[in-house]
Amino acid sequence: SQTIHQWPATLVQPVGSPLSLECTVEGTSNPNLYWYRQAAGRGLQLLFYSVGIGQISSEVPQNLSASRPQDRQFILSSKKLLLSDSGFYLCAWSFPSMGQFFGPGTRLTVL
Amino acid sequence: KNEVEQSPQNLTAQEGEFITINCSYSVGISALHWLQQHPGGGIVSLFMLSSGKKKHGRLIATINIQEKHSSLHITASHPRDSAVYICAVRGGGSQGNLIFGKGTKLSVKP
Repeated sequence: SQTIHQWPATLVQPVGSPLSLECTVEGTSNPNLYWYRQAAGRGLQLLFYSVGIGQISSEVPQNLSASRPQDRQFILSSKKLLLSDSGFYLCAWSFPSMGQFFGPGTRLTVL
Repeated sequence: KNEVEQSPQNLTAQEGEFITINCSYSVGISALHWLQQHPGGGIVSLFMLSSGKKKHGRLIATINIQEKHSSLHITASHPRDSAVYICAVRGGGSQGNLIFGKGTKLSVKP
């Protein structure tokens, strides 16, 4: 069966520090991968999606970036965090015409 | 105007009550999802619909494509149903990303 992992589960970082969140999927090949963010009091928002290795599409211009170095690995990064980057980050995978399956999420607090 | 609107935003019910959460959308979709988010943040997919009605236990989801409207019903509600319920739609493109409503926070009192 398929599983999706995210780490870390929680993270507290100072403004201006770098960020690296990792997501890995097991039990499937060549899935679509997504990074979503849920800011406090707001709905989920798509940040990036990937349909294959090295293929990244960005939905929202910001100081975050994403990479997919391997088929089942999706990384969210920042060189310098902003206060507004605080939120709950969710990774998800799917195949076209299937439901989306979400990871456990990472709660990021930028101080 | 948001592309996906949910109502109500907050809902408090007594245990055993029948609950309805509504979702309207303004874009063309290939599927609609109902998700459940627990206080810890984890999200579980409840239903994916493209037409008609689906039932799973005490949960029922319906969609009317012509009216661009979906409802999630919970029969015989229980305190463990307390969570945020999120409606999300998927467009017709191959990327498959979801557009989310802001969620409905449900609290079921014993």
